[in-house]
Formats: sequence, C-alpha cells, structure tokens
Amino acid sequence: RKEVEQDPGPFNVPEGATVAFNCTYSNSASQSFFWYRQDCRKEPKLLMSVYSSGNEDGRFTAQLNRASQYISLLIRDSKLSDSATYLCVVNRPGGSNYKLTFGKGTLLTVNP
Amino acid sequence: DTAVSQTPKYLVTQMGNDKSIKCEQNLGHDTMYWYKQDSKKFLKIMFSYNNKELIINETVPNRFSPKSPDKAHLNLHINSLELGDSAVYFCASSNRREVNEKLFFGSGTQLSVL
Repeated sequence: RKEVEQDPGPFNVPEGATVAFNCTYSNSASQSFFWYRQDCRKEPKLLMSVYSSGNEDGRFTAQLNRASQYISLLIRDSKLSDSATYLCVVNRPGGSNYKLTFGKGTLLTVNP
Repeated sequence: DTAVSQTPKYLVTQMGNDKSIKCEQNLGHDTMYWYKQDSKKFLKIMFSYNNKELIINETVPNRFSPKSPDKAHLNLHINSLELGDSAVYFCASSNRREVNEKLFFGSGTQLSVL
C-alpha cells in the first residue's frame, strides 16, 4: 500500500457544486495531516491542517478517520478560483526520519 | 519579502553539464528541504537539513549534492546532468519544533536537460 493515496481525479464540476476528495495513508502512527493546494506551474501552498475532531475554514471542511486511516476534504459552493490540484500530506513519524509525504494530488476544475 | 526564494526560476542545459540551484529562507525556520516534481506531477522529497545537518536522504543519486552553509540556505548541486533530471525542483522550509509542522515552498526551478 502506498504511503499516501488519493482519488485519481480529475474532477470537473460546475460553479456552486459541492465536491469531496478522499485520501488514505498507510502508517497508523502518523500524527499530522494537511491539505495543500497547487495551482498550475506554481508551488504548493498550505490550505489547511486536519485535526482529529474535523475542522472547517469557510467553504472548506476537513475530516480525519484514524480507524480507517482516511482523510477527506469537502469544498462547498465551488468557485472558479478553486480550480487547482489538491494534495493530501501526511507525516511519517520516526525521530530524525520524520518527513511529510505528499499524495499524487487530485486535479479539480470548476467550470462556469 | 519573499519567504522562501530560489534561483534560477528556469534552467536549460545540456546533458553532462554541472549546475546549481540556490535557496534561501527568511522565516527563521530550522529545517530546509529539496523536493522534485516530475512530469507526472508527483512531488517527492530528496533531502532535508535540520540546523545544517543532513537528516533525510531519499535514495537520490550521488550526482546530487546538497549543501547548507547555514540554517537559512540550502543549495543543490547536480553533476553530469541526465535527461531524466528534467523536472521542477522545489525548495521548502519548516520549523521542526512546531507540533503541526507546515512546509513553505519556494516558487520552483524548472530544469530542462537537453
């Protein structure tokens, strides 16, 4: 099983739609989870951290299910500007070997 | 004002050449990274330095040599460039002491090996 696996996408949705992305991770000892966003030909930028109890930031909601080792991102009322690649990021704990591992990303296109 | 800056933005070179990419961060972070993003857009860690010490080396060929003269700088030197080295290279930094460590990326260096 890959360390971090995401929906392959791409997702094409109309403006105003609700869209959800899923991500699974393999290391049950992982403690930190994030969603990053990457626009075309740009660097990845942090969208939001994912907390155990779930968290919301405006139109974005992130959920974590530790038992299933599963993370999700829900975007409500999609805007054209939400078009980007969404990257699921999970830490691999282990002292000096600690690292953040990126999923391959899911491409979202929001259409007018 | 740029938090993580890397140069050059574009690098076009012939096979066999040696080239360097420079990275600097002004966030006061203690850890810096090099990531490679290939044509399939997969972002993969190459190296990580914490307080100038190498802590992660992800099975990268010896032709790639990172150098960290101080906590704010991490440069990447590549010898004998190959076609397969063509990719976008991202520098990043973070603060390992944070509970939820977050990465801040530079704008990337697009390397094309001809």
